[in-house]
Formats: sequence, C-alpha cells, structure tokens
Amino acid sequence: GENVEQHPSTLSVQEGDSAVIKCTYSDSASNYFPWYKQELGKRPQLIIDIRSNVGEKKDQRIAVTLNKTAKHFSLHITETQPEDSAVYFCAASQTDSWGKFQFGAGTQVVVTP
Amino acid sequence: KAGVTQTPRYLIKTRGQQVTLSCSPISGHRSVSWYQQTPGQGLQFLFEYFSETQRNKGNFPGRFSGRQFSNSRSEMNVSTLELGDSALYLCASSLETSDYNEQFFGPGTRLTVL
Repeated sequence: GENVEQHPSTLSVQEGDSAVIKCTYSDSASNYFPWYKQELGKRPQLIIDIRSNVGEKKDQRIAVTLNKTAKHFSLHITETQPEDSAVYFCAASQTDSWGKFQFGAGTQVVVTP
Repeated sequence: KAGVTQTPRYLIKTRGQQVTLSCSPISGHRSVSWYQQTPGQGLQFLFEYFSETQRNKGNFPGRFSGRQFSNSRSEMNVSTLELGDSALYLCASSLETSDYNEQFFGPGTRLTVL
C-alpha cells in the first residue's frame, strides 16, 4: 500500500522567512496530493492541492511542487506570519481509491515574531 | 451549508467496553472517511464508506468497524477497547467528482480509554 513520509517533523522559522516541507510517496499510482493545515484544537483544513498532471501550483504565499519521477512533493510558504503556526499534513491518494488518503506524520511549524 | 459534525465530542470509557461514534457529512456528500489521530502518528486511515458500502479499509484490527446509512450519516464502532485506542477520531466527507475531491473534516471525537 501507499506510504507517505514527511520531513521535517518540526520547523521553526523567523517571521518573514520561507518554510519548506517535503513529502515522499511510494505508490506511483497516486495522483492527488493535498496539504492540510491543523491549528491547535481545530480540524484539519485543506490549504492547497495538486494533481499528477501538474508540476506546480501557487496560491498567494503558498505553493506546492510535485516531482512524479522522484515521487516527492513539497509545500512552500513564503513571507511566513505568526498565523502560519500550525501542524501541516501532506497526503496522497489515487483516483480509484477516492476517500482513502494516506497522510504524512505532520510538521509542526512555529513562526516566531 | 453546514459543515461535518461529529458526536459526541468527548468520550471516556474503560478497557473492555465498546463505543460508537457518529458522523454527519455535509449535505450531498456521499463519501465518508474515518481517521485515527494520535500524537506523532498523524492521521491513520480507518475506512471509507460510499453509498452505504465500505469501499476502502485501512490496517486496523477487526475491533474497528463502521457503517453508513442511506442519508450518508456514518457510525464507527470500537469493541473491546484498549488503552491504545485513546485518540482523536476524525471523519471527513467528500463530494467526489472527477475533478474535485477535497475532504472536509469534522471536529473529531476525543476518546479516552482508562
């Protein structure tokens, strides 16, 4: 089955700096890769996603890149702000396995003013 | 539209007991997935239901089971509770079209097994 590894487990950045979180997946059939943000005590919420027919996607300060050959994808947050502090999860799923997402273990991001 | 709701929000049980958790998806969503979240383990997939059928299953023992009703509401049951079952149980619903498969999570049920 699919296995998703996520690094680093914790990430401390100064406000205004960039943050990068990397994930690798094992199943080449995976073709949908969402990223979720979970603030303390709250439910995970989708912040950006990418499909396997796209190499990069941007949404304001957030971008995701996908390298299908190497089976890895990354989340980039630029100009970090204190409200970016949260746990971020990457996930992978396949078109014929909708509803079954394999999540990474999460990255605790702390943005210090 | 109302979001995904889960009941109860908190549960305290003792070892050996059983528990039933409930999840009401967003109106119109037919796919409901369940996850177990523990510190350091992230979200572990339990199972997914679509139109009252279990379509996908994770690697959890048979003590974990679920079902889905005709109105897409779903329940999960854990029998013979163990201390290690203490976790946040999240459900997520999805509209599931060919182009769009965002999962919307509920607030979770915090289960504590004593």
